[in-house]
Amino acid sequence: GQQVMQIPQYQHVQEGEDFTTYCNSSTTLSNIQWYKQRPGGHPVFLIQLVKSGEVKKQKRLTFQFGEAKKNSSLHITATQTTDVGTYFCAGRNTGFQKLVFGTGTRLLVSP
Amino acid sequence: GAGVSQSPSNKVTEKGKDVELRCDPISGHTALYWYRQSLGQGLEFLIYFQGNSAPDKSGLPSDRFSAERTGGSVSTLTIQRTQQEDSAVYLCASSPTGSIIQYFGAGTRLSVL
Repeated sequence: GQQVMQIPQYQHVQEGEDFTTYCNSSTTLSNIQWYKQRPGGHPVFLIQLVKSGEVKKQKRLTFQFGEAKKNSSLHITATQTTDVGTYFCAGRNTGFQKLVFGTGTRLLVSP
Repeated sequence: GAGVSQSPSNKVTEKGKDVELRCDPISGHTALYWYRQSLGQGLEFLIYFQGNSAPDKSGLPSDRFSAERTGGSVSTLTIQRTQQEDSAVYLCASSPTGSIIQYFGAGTRLSVL
């Protein structure tokens, strides 16, 4: 079945450093979503990418969808302590309705 | 409230007992999902309901787990003869028609002693 892996599993950065998490699918995706889960909280939708090569920005966050639609990345510029949490990507195969969540990347930011 | 509501927020039970977890999706959302999340881990898909279609039960870990969705709205996840390894946070999410963006509830933290 479809698998979605994320690397790294965990990253600890100093406030102000940049951070990137990568998402790789074993199959081609029709779209990809990103979610953020704060410690003790529940996943919250951040963004959805649909087009091959698409790039979207939300303030300090930059999301990319690969040309082959099998991978994606989330880059945070100049991290802040409020960025702490686990970031999940989630993808859907063409023709299937169910989202498959990635393994997640846990980000810790020290002041 | 406009969000996904789950109850109870916390449940402590003894090994071997049955538990029922409830999810009230956002009004009008046709899709409903259940996930399990163990401490520090990712989201484990359990079951997916879409409208009146047969549910996708491919993620249920054993026949002790079952779920139903009545009237296309409220869903109940039942775990029979609970085991210690069932201890986790159980998350419910719903999606509106035509979208696969998932809106999550706060979850039920289940502890099996």
